[in-house]
Amino acid sequence: GENVEQHPSTLSVQEGDSAVIKCTYSDSASNYFPWYKQELGKGPQLIIDIRSNVGEKKDQRIAVTLNKTAKHFSLHITETQPEDSAVYFCAASEHNDMRFGAGTRLTVKP
Amino acid sequence: SAVISQKPSRDICQRGTSLTIQCQVDSQVTMMFWYRQQPGQSLTLIATANQGSEATYESGFVIDKFPISRPNLTFSTLTVSNMSPEDSSIYLCSVPPPAGGNTGELFFGEGSRLTVL
Repeated sequence: GENVEQHPSTLSVQEGDSAVIKCTYSDSASNYFPWYKQELGKGPQLIIDIRSNVGEKKDQRIAVTLNKTAKHFSLHITETQPEDSAVYFCAASEHNDMRFGAGTRLTVKP
Repeated sequence: SAVISQKPSRDICQRGTSLTIQCQVDSQVTMMFWYRQQPGQSLTLIATANQGSEATYESGFVIDKFPISRPNLTFSTLTVSNMSPEDSSIYLCSVPPPAGGNTGELFFGEGSRLTVL
C-alpha cells in the first residue's frame, strides 16, 4: 500500500519568511496530492492540491510542486503570517484511497 | 464542497461503554469515510461506509469494535464499542465532492473528540 513520509515534523519561521514542507510517497499509481491545514480543535481543511499531470500549482501565497519521477511533492508558503500557524498534512491517493503524512506543526512568530 | 456535521463534537466516556458518532452531509455522496486521529498523530482510515452494503474496514479495524451504519446517501454513524483509554481520539467523517466523479478530493467534518477515562 501507499506510504507517505512528511518532513519536518515541526517548523518555526519568522513572520514574512517562507516555509517549505516536503513529502515523499511510495506508490507510483497515486495521482492526487492534497494538502490540508488543521487548526486546533478543527477538522482538516483542504488548502491546495495537485494532480499527477501537473508539476506546479499556485494559489496566492501557497504553491505546491510535484516531482513524479522522484515521487516527492512540496508545499511552499510565502510571506508567512501568524494565522498560518497550524498543523499541515500532505496526502497521496488513487481512487479515494487517501493516505496521510505524519503532519508538520508550523509556528509563525510575529 | 459539502457541509459535514458531526455529533457529538466532544464527549467524555467511561471505560467499557460504547458511543455512537453521527455524520450528516448536506448533499448526497457516493462514499463516506471514517478516520481516526490519535492525540498528536496523523489521520488513519478506519473504514469506508457503503450505502446498501457492509462497510469496508482497513487492516487493524474490525466491525465488532467499530460498527458502522449507512442508511442513506447523506448519513452515517460510527460506534466505538467497549471503549478503553486507547480509544481516546478524534474521529472524523469525510466525504468526496457531492458532484461525484473520481476526483480524489476529500472534505472533512470538524471531528468528534472522545476522551475515555
